Amino acid sequence: SQQGEEDPQALSIQEGENATMNCSYKTSINNLQWYRQNSGRGLVHLILIRSNEREKHSGRLRVTLDTSKKSSSLLITASRAADTASYFCATTSGGGADGLTFGKGTHLIIQP
Amino acid sequence: EAGVAQSPRYKIIEKRQSVAFWCNPISGHATLYWYQQILGQGPKLLIQFQNNGVVDDSQLPKDRFSAERLKGVDSTLKIQPAKLEDSAVYLCASSLSRGNEQFFGPGTRLTVL
Repeated sequence: SQQGEEDPQALSIQEGENATMNCSYKTSINNLQWYRQNSGRGLVHLILIRSNEREKHSGRLRVTLDTSKKSSSLLITASRAADTASYFCATTSGGGADGLTFGKGTHLIIQP
Repeated sequence: EAGVAQSPRYKIIEKRQSVAFWCNPISGHATLYWYQQILGQGPKLLIQFQNNGVVDDSQLPKDRFSAERLKGVDSTLKIQPAKLEDSAVYLCASSLSRGNEQFFGPGTRLTVL
């Protein structure tokens, strides 16, 4: 079953604008990760935020985590055409098994 | 560094036939995962191996799916017999150890007719 739900399901913005995607999850987590998927490069890991962290940055990416609301957001600043892809949040629940539980994804289109 | 390799990249079979997928993880990665991604959805974990032992196979439909990781390196995933609803992309991922970043292969796109 899907753990996370991304919002919105689809997003279209102009190149240079910022894109924000949200993710909500249901059960307690060990960490939350964001992945990007496009036909050219497959599924690529973007950033990991642990349950005791509230914000993390990596280049043009900013991720926040609110464990009290069971939600996370991914902000991509100064978007580029190459950012066009589907973005998924994925969680692990700790313990020995750490397979990822993915949401349904947000499809982001950057208009040139 | 070479990435996760998978073969074949595409496979078309008829329902009730059998099919097998192969995965070669990144060298030195102890943990290997198989995911199923149905069109329009996120990947779903099927099975996780740590070396050649199974850590989690709770979402693997064991009546028709099987997987093995002999010698703790390469892995195969088999479906026998296939159903129409098995049409999906099957992704293999590996990580250095549990709790680390997972690296995904290009996937095998299976179409069951």
